[in-house]
Amino acid sequence: AQTVTQSQPEMSVQEAETVTLSCTYDTSESDYYLFWYKQPPSRQMILVIRQEAYKQQNATENRFSVNFQKAAKSFSLKISDSQLGDAAMYFCAYRSARGAQKLVFGQGTRLTINP
Amino acid sequence: SAVISQKPSRDICQRGTSLTIQCQVDSQVTMMFWYRQQPGQSLTLIATANQGSEATYESGFVIDKFPISRPNLTFSTLTVSNMSPEDSSIYLCSVQGASDTQYFGPGTRLTVL
Repeated sequence: AQTVTQSQPEMSVQEAETVTLSCTYDTSESDYYLFWYKQPPSRQMILVIRQEAYKQQNATENRFSVNFQKAAKSFSLKISDSQLGDAAMYFCAYRSARGAQKLVFGQGTRLTINP
Repeated sequence: SAVISQKPSRDICQRGTSLTIQCQVDSQVTMMFWYRQQPGQSLTLIATANQGSEATYESGFVIDKFPISRPNLTFSTLTVSNMSPEDSSIYLCSVQGASDTQYFGPGTRLTVL
């Protein structure tokens, strides 16, 4: 079974600075998807960024980018120019490209933005 | 992405009772999912709901405790039956959208006394 590990329960960063959240996963599959979701206090799960395993190019979405290292099974999220609105729980998630469509989530990282 | 609504947004219930949570999507979707998020924890999939067939439950979750309906391609319900305080959680529905991405509803916060 696939597992996702986020080793940083909490992180903090100064407003306008850059922060990197770590995620590692374990799978025997070669084709899959990886996601970062954000959950603010409103509890709504919001998609931040998505990566397809067969693509070598790292995904980017405005201030959010990933460092996808397939061989190392690592999928970190970099947030540039951090803003107060970025404060939230961040969850890394894995989904197989075949078979079960379910998302497997990591334990989450709570990100605090210091003004 | 699809617009997803859930009702109720929150509820406080007595142990031994049941609560039905509704999930409505603004477009037709094949697959809908129900997740549970216990306090301070991550999300765990309860079951996958496909229209026209029985829901597929994950290990540790049973139909008698979490019956699911999926009458059409835009709607699903999850019932939490015979509740105990351990059922206090956030329950979220999600749908499979474009680009193999799941989008989530706003969640239902359930407290069982």
